[in-house]
Amino acid sequence: GAVVSQHPSRVICKSGTSVKIECRSLDFQATTMFWYRQFPKQSLMLMATSNEGSKATYEQGVEKDKFLINHASLTLSTLTVTSAHPEDSSFYICSASPGLAYEQYFGPGTRLTVT
Amino acid sequence: QKEVEQNSGPLSVPEGAIASLNCTYSDRGSQSFFWYRQYSGKSPELIMSIYSNGDKEDGRFTAQLNKASQYVSLLIRDSQPSDSATYLCAVRKGYALNFGKGTSLLVTP
Repeated sequence: GAVVSQHPSRVICKSGTSVKIECRSLDFQATTMFWYRQFPKQSLMLMATSNEGSKATYEQGVEKDKFLINHASLTLSTLTVTSAHPEDSSFYICSASPGLAYEQYFGPGTRLTVT
Repeated sequence: QKEVEQNSGPLSVPEGAIASLNCTYSDRGSQSFFWYRQYSGKSPELIMSIYSNGDKEDGRFTAQLNKASQYVSLLIRDSQPSDSATYLCAVRKGYALNFGKGTSLLVTP
């Protein structure tokens, strides 16, 4: 149980374009989903927390107009990187939780490369 | 002071030995602690969670928590080459997790 999927696993895009990443909980309802970013040899940095049906809460320093998060259902959250630039190239990982007091289960990650 | 600190390693142990991974945290009010394993290029995988002082065992893994010392550790018994990975310590902060930078473990045959 507790399987989380992400799509796509890898994406290459040109500077200035937008990219959408999907995160799905496959066998449980995720009231809360989290989006992390990980640069090479660094730890995971939380970008935002989203609750189903509510606006996402962004961490300090994360531009909410650049990283659009939608959590429209209990099994799906999306992250859209708008007007991507090379410095946005990173490993984006989502996690999902059945509730705030439960463990988080991570998706396999999406490697974004902006050329 | 970083909120969650780990020695980056690498920690090298021979196959069959016990690997000991350590983590300290700064928020004395923290209540939930987790160990994740991350292979290169992959996302983290939950190994253990621990919420109260003492030891918690699951197979070859034992998590130890000492809230007075603000210290969490993970012991891996009978280490295998397949255990070679980066181990991330995470402390719950509000609704999210605060991660350490991870300790790289290398188990040599």
